[in-house]
Amino acid sequence: AQSVAQPEDQVNVAEGNPLTVKCTYSVSGNPYLFWYVQYPNRGLQFLLKYITGDNLVKGSYGFEAEFNKSQTSFHLKKPSALVSDSALYFCAVRGYSSASKIIFGSGTRLSIRP
Amino acid sequence: DAMVIQNPRYQVTQFGKPVTLSCSQTLNHNVMYWYQQKSSQAPKLLFHYYDKDFNNEADTPDNFQSRRPNTSFCFLDIRSPGLGDAAMYLCATSRDGGQGVPLFGQGTRLTVV
Repeated sequence: AQSVAQPEDQVNVAEGNPLTVKCTYSVSGNPYLFWYVQYPNRGLQFLLKYITGDNLVKGSYGFEAEFNKSQTSFHLKKPSALVSDSALYFCAVRGYSSASKIIFGSGTRLSIRP
Repeated sequence: DAMVIQNPRYQVTQFGKPVTLSCSQTLNHNVMYWYQQKSSQAPKLLFHYYDKDFNNEADTPDNFQSRRPNTSFCFLDIRSPGLGDAAMYLCATSRDGGQGVPLFGQGTRLTVV
Protein backbone atom coordinates (compact mmCIF):
# COMPACT_ATOMS: atom_id res chain seq x y z
CA ALA A 1 0.00 0.00 0.00
CA GLN A 2 1.15 3.51 -0.67
CA SER A 3 1.03 6.37 1.80
CA VAL A 4 2.34 9.86 2.29
CA ALA A 5 2.89 11.82 5.50
CA GLN A 6 3.20 15.51 6.18
CA PRO A 7 4.33 15.72 9.79
CA GLU A 8 3.63 19.42 10.30
CA ASP A 9 0.09 20.78 10.36
CA GLN A 10 1.38 24.33 10.19
CA VAL A 11 4.60 26.07 9.28
CA ASN A 12 5.20 29.72 10.16
CA VAL A 13 7.91 31.71 8.42
CA ALA A 14 8.85 35.38 8.21
CA GLU A 15 8.74 36.96 4.79
CA GLY A 16 12.11 36.79 3.08
CA ASN A 17 13.26 33.75 5.04
CA PRO A 18 13.68 30.30 3.50
CA LEU A 19 10.86 27.82 3.97
CA THR A 20 10.64 24.04 4.07
CA VAL A 21 7.49 21.93 4.06
CA LYS A 22 8.18 18.29 4.86
CA CYS A 23 6.86 15.17 3.16
CA THR A 24 7.73 11.50 3.50
CA TYR A 25 6.29 8.65 1.50
CA SER A 26 5.93 4.89 1.38
CA VAL A 27 5.38 3.09 -1.90
CA SER A 28 6.39 -0.09 -3.65
CA GLY A 29 8.94 0.51 -6.34
CA ASN A 30 9.82 3.89 -7.74
CA PRO A 31 7.54 6.73 -6.72
CA TYR A 32 6.01 9.52 -8.68
CA LEU A 33 5.82 12.51 -6.33
CA PHE A 34 3.86 15.75 -6.60
CA TRP A 35 3.32 18.98 -4.70
CA TYR A 36 0.12 20.99 -4.92
CA VAL A 37 -1.02 24.27 -3.38
CA GLN A 38 -4.60 25.13 -2.46
CA TYR A 39 -6.07 28.56 -1.79
CA PRO A 40 -9.40 28.95 0.06
CA ASN A 41 -12.40 27.50 -1.80
CA ARG A 42 -10.29 26.61 -4.83
CA GLY A 43 -9.03 23.46 -6.44
CA LEU A 44 -5.49 22.19 -6.17
CA GLN A 45 -2.81 23.86 -8.27
CA PHE A 46 0.13 21.78 -9.44
CA LEU A 47 3.54 23.07 -8.30
CA LEU A 48 6.08 20.43 -9.28
CA LYS A 49 6.74 16.74 -9.72
CA TYR A 50 9.49 14.16 -9.41
CA ILE A 51 9.42 11.31 -11.88
CA THR A 52 13.06 10.44 -12.41
CA GLY A 53 16.39 12.17 -12.91
CA ASP A 54 17.80 15.01 -10.85
CA ASN A 55 16.92 14.87 -7.18
CA LEU A 56 16.33 18.63 -7.08
CA VAL A 57 13.19 19.56 -8.94
CA LYS A 58 12.24 23.13 -9.77
CA GLY A 59 8.62 24.19 -10.10
CA SER A 60 6.24 27.10 -10.23
CA TYR A 61 6.46 30.36 -8.23
CA GLY A 62 10.09 29.76 -7.22
CA PHE A 63 9.41 26.52 -5.37
CA GLU A 64 11.68 23.52 -5.54
CA ALA A 65 11.72 20.09 -3.93
CA GLU A 66 14.44 17.65 -3.08
CA PHE A 67 13.91 13.94 -3.57
CA ASN A 68 15.82 11.74 -1.11
CA LYS A 69 15.40 8.06 -1.82
CA SER A 70 17.22 6.80 1.27
CA GLN A 71 15.07 8.92 3.57
CA THR A 72 11.95 8.46 1.41
CA SER A 73 11.38 12.19 1.55
CA PHE A 74 10.32 14.90 -0.87
CA HIS A 75 10.51 18.21 1.00
CA LEU A 76 9.24 21.41 -0.59
CA LYS A 77 11.51 24.44 -0.34
CA LYS A 78 11.73 28.07 -1.31
CA PRO A 79 14.75 30.30 -0.71
CA SER A 80 12.77 33.44 0.12
CA ALA A 81 9.15 33.30 1.27
CA LEU A 82 6.46 35.75 0.18
CA VAL A 83 3.29 36.64 2.08
CA SER A 84 1.38 35.44 -1.00
CA ASP A 85 2.81 31.94 -0.46
CA SER A 86 0.46 31.57 2.51
CA ALA A 87 -1.80 28.64 1.61
CA LEU A 88 -2.41 24.93 2.16
CA TYR A 89 0.20 22.62 0.64
CA PHE A 90 -0.30 18.96 -0.23
CA CYS A 91 2.23 16.32 -1.08
CA ALA A 92 1.02 13.38 -3.19
CA VAL A 93 2.41 10.06 -4.36
CA ARG A 94 1.65 7.56 -7.07
CA GLY A 95 3.38 4.22 -7.05
CA TYR A 96 4.79 2.86 -10.27
CA SER A 97 2.85 -0.34 -9.83
CA SER A 98 -0.42 1.31 -8.83
CA ALA A 99 -1.27 2.57 -12.28
CA SER A 100 -3.51 5.58 -11.82
CA LYS A 101 -4.07 5.88 -8.09
CA ILE A 102 -2.68 8.99 -6.41
CA ILE A 103 -2.78 9.54 -2.66
CA PHE A 104 -2.46 12.83 -0.79
CA GLY A 105 -0.85 13.76 2.50
CA SER A 106 -2.83 15.50 5.23
CA GLY A 107 -1.66 18.94 4.18
CA THR A 108 0.47 21.66 5.75
CA ARG A 109 -0.77 25.17 6.26
CA LEU A 110 1.98 27.64 5.43
CA SER A 111 1.71 31.05 7.03
CA ILE A 112 4.11 33.80 5.99
CA ARG A 113 4.18 36.85 8.26
CA PRO A 114 5.22 40.24 6.89
CA ASP B 1 -8.37 28.84 -20.42
CA ALA B 2 -9.87 26.45 -17.94
CA MET B 3 -9.03 22.87 -18.88
CA VAL B 4 -10.88 20.98 -16.16
CA ILE B 5 -14.26 22.53 -15.52
CA GLN B 6 -16.54 21.65 -12.66
CA ASN B 7 -20.16 22.73 -12.50
CA PRO B 8 -21.61 24.15 -10.47
CA ARG B 9 -19.03 25.82 -8.20
CA TYR B 10 -21.52 25.82 -5.34
CA GLN B 11 -24.39 23.40 -4.92
CA VAL B 12 -27.03 23.34 -2.20
CA THR B 13 -29.17 20.24 -1.94
CA GLN B 14 -31.74 18.93 0.47
CA PHE B 15 -31.12 16.01 2.75
CA GLY B 16 -31.92 12.84 0.82
CA LYS B 17 -32.46 14.56 -2.53
CA PRO B 18 -30.29 13.12 -5.33
CA VAL B 19 -27.67 15.47 -6.70
CA THR B 20 -25.27 15.29 -9.63
CA LEU B 21 -21.98 17.10 -9.96
CA SER B 22 -20.31 17.40 -13.33
CA CYS B 23 -16.77 17.61 -14.62
CA SER B 24 -15.58 18.22 -18.15
CA GLN B 25 -12.13 18.42 -19.65
CA THR B 26 -10.64 19.74 -22.86
CA LEU B 27 -7.33 17.88 -22.48
CA ASN B 28 -8.36 14.49 -23.89
CA HIS B 29 -6.90 12.86 -20.78
CA ASN B 30 -7.80 9.23 -20.34
CA VAL B 31 -7.85 9.22 -16.53
CA MET B 32 -10.46 11.09 -14.50
CA TYR B 33 -10.68 11.19 -10.71
CA TRP B 34 -13.23 12.23 -8.11
CA TYR B 35 -12.02 13.32 -4.69
CA GLN B 36 -13.90 14.39 -1.58
CA GLN B 37 -12.28 17.03 0.64
CA LYS B 38 -13.62 18.08 4.02
CA SER B 39 -12.49 21.14 5.98
CA SER B 40 -9.01 21.54 4.48
CA GLN B 41 -8.23 17.87 5.07
CA ALA B 42 -6.46 15.64 2.56
CA PRO B 43 -8.48 14.99 -0.59
CA LYS B 44 -9.90 11.50 -0.35
CA LEU B 45 -10.09 9.46 -3.53
CA LEU B 46 -13.60 8.18 -4.18
CA PHE B 47 -13.06 6.54 -7.56
CA HIS B 48 -11.35 7.00 -10.88
CA TYR B 49 -11.72 5.99 -14.49
CA TYR B 50 -8.92 4.76 -16.66
CA ASP B 51 -10.59 5.19 -20.03
CA LYS B 52 -13.86 3.31 -19.48
CA ASP B 53 -12.52 1.15 -16.68
CA PHE B 54 -14.09 2.17 -13.40
CA ASN B 55 -12.06 1.82 -10.18
CA ASN B 56 -13.95 2.22 -6.96
CA GLU B 57 -12.14 2.72 -3.66
CA ALA B 58 -13.06 0.06 -1.11
CA ASP B 59 -14.28 2.58 1.45
CA THR B 60 -16.36 4.71 -0.92
CA PRO B 61 -19.97 4.55 0.28
CA ASP B 62 -22.54 2.97 -2.05
CA ASN B 63 -24.36 6.28 -1.94
CA PHE B 64 -21.76 7.63 -4.33
CA GLN B 65 -21.88 6.63 -7.99
CA SER B 66 -20.13 7.84 -11.10
CA ARG B 67 -20.68 7.90 -14.84
CA ARG B 68 -18.33 8.64 -17.66
CA PRO B 69 -20.31 8.74 -20.91
CA ASN B 70 -17.32 9.85 -22.99
CA THR B 71 -13.71 10.99 -22.64
CA SER B 72 -14.62 14.58 -21.89
CA PHE B 73 -17.28 14.23 -19.22
CA CYS B 74 -17.54 12.57 -15.85
CA PHE B 75 -20.37 12.81 -13.32
CA LEU B 76 -20.61 12.23 -9.60
CA ASP B 77 -24.04 11.14 -8.42
CA ILE B 78 -24.94 11.22 -4.75
CA ARG B 79 -28.12 9.21 -4.45
CA SER B 80 -29.27 10.28 -1.00
CA PRO B 81 -27.07 13.03 0.42
CA GLY B 82 -26.63 13.16 4.14
CA LEU B 83 -25.30 15.99 6.26
CA GLY B 84 -21.96 14.20 6.38
CA ASP B 85 -21.61 14.44 2.63
CA ALA B 86 -21.20 18.20 2.74
CA ALA B 87 -17.73 18.79 1.37
CA MET B 88 -15.68 20.10 -1.51
CA TYR B 89 -15.71 17.68 -4.42
CA LEU B 90 -12.70 17.81 -6.67
CA CYS B 91 -12.38 16.42 -10.16
CA ALA B 92 -8.97 15.79 -11.70
CA THR B 93 -7.66 14.38 -14.95
CA SER B 94 -4.33 13.03 -16.09
CA ARG B 95 -2.89 11.89 -19.38
CA ASP B 96 -2.18 8.40 -18.14
CA GLY B 97 -1.67 6.53 -14.94
CA GLY B 98 2.09 6.80 -14.82
CA GLN B 99 3.92 10.04 -15.29
CA GLY B 100 0.89 12.14 -16.12
CA VAL B 101 0.30 15.00 -13.73
CA PRO B 102 -3.24 15.14 -12.31
CA LEU B 103 -4.75 18.54 -13.04
CA PHE B 104 -7.66 19.71 -10.91
CA GLY B 105 -10.79 21.67 -11.52
CA GLN B 106 -11.88 24.44 -9.16
CA GLY B 107 -14.11 22.11 -7.21
CA THR B 108 -17.78 22.06 -6.26
CA ARG B 109 -18.70 23.03 -2.71
CA LEU B 110 -21.69 20.92 -1.72
CA THR B 111 -23.97 22.02 1.10
CA VAL B 112 -26.67 19.69 2.42
CA VAL B 113 -29.60 21.31 4.21
